[in-house]
Amino acid sequence: KAGVTQTPRYLIKTRGQQVTLSCSPISGHRSVSWYQQTPGQGLQFLFEYFSETQRNKGNFPGRFSGRQFSNSRSEMNVSTLELGDSALYLCASSPPTSGGFTDTQYFGPGTRLTVL
Amino acid sequence: GENVEQHPSTLSVQEGDSAVIKCTYSDSASNYFPWYKQELGKGPQLIIDIRSNVGEKKDQRIAVTLNKTAKHFSLHITETQPEDSAVYFCAATPGGTALIFGKGTTLSVSS
Repeated sequence: KAGVTQTPRYLIKTRGQQVTLSCSPISGHRSVSWYQQTPGQGLQFLFEYFSETQRNKGNFPGRFSGRQFSNSRSEMNVSTLELGDSALYLCASSPPTSGGFTDTQYFGPGTRLTVL
Repeated sequence: GENVEQHPSTLSVQEGDSAVIKCTYSDSASNYFPWYKQELGKGPQLIIDIRSNVGEKKDQRIAVTLNKTAKHFSLHITETQPEDSAVYFCAATPGGTALIFGKGTTLSVSS
């Protein structure tokens, strides 16, 4: 079974621009979570989508948003980029459980975003 | 909210030795504790996890122990090999998918 895929793998933007990152979960997984990884702050939870609805949200400004499509693919958008948004953005998908609520997460390779 | 502390930040061992990484958490409601291995240029890879109703879990050379009373859990790697060199992260969650991660441990295994 193919793993979580993320595109693009590398991205360079300038301050003030916006960016959209894409994530395709493992086949059959309906939950997609996004994380930001930086050397200073480590891995931080951004948000989670399940069945096209945001189910959980971390402590990030409103410039960070996401959505999920009916095929479970997810996109993350960052508007008005700041230098501090430079990071590795990771997507993780979770398998379904009978309760529809799961915590086991499988990560993709990430998108390395550099803001100049 | 949950806070996860991870120690040590760096760990160097000789091939064949054991390595132990420890994490503490603050939220007594946390019930799921995964460990991830991240190699350079790759995303975190789930290597083992444990739930709050279990005290220990093993998978070949890797084991995880959980002490709910003390709110700490540990990763044990036996017979380390050079390919075990990577950054290891512990995480905790009281439920759902908002994992709270430790800051990571860089493990170096020299041959």
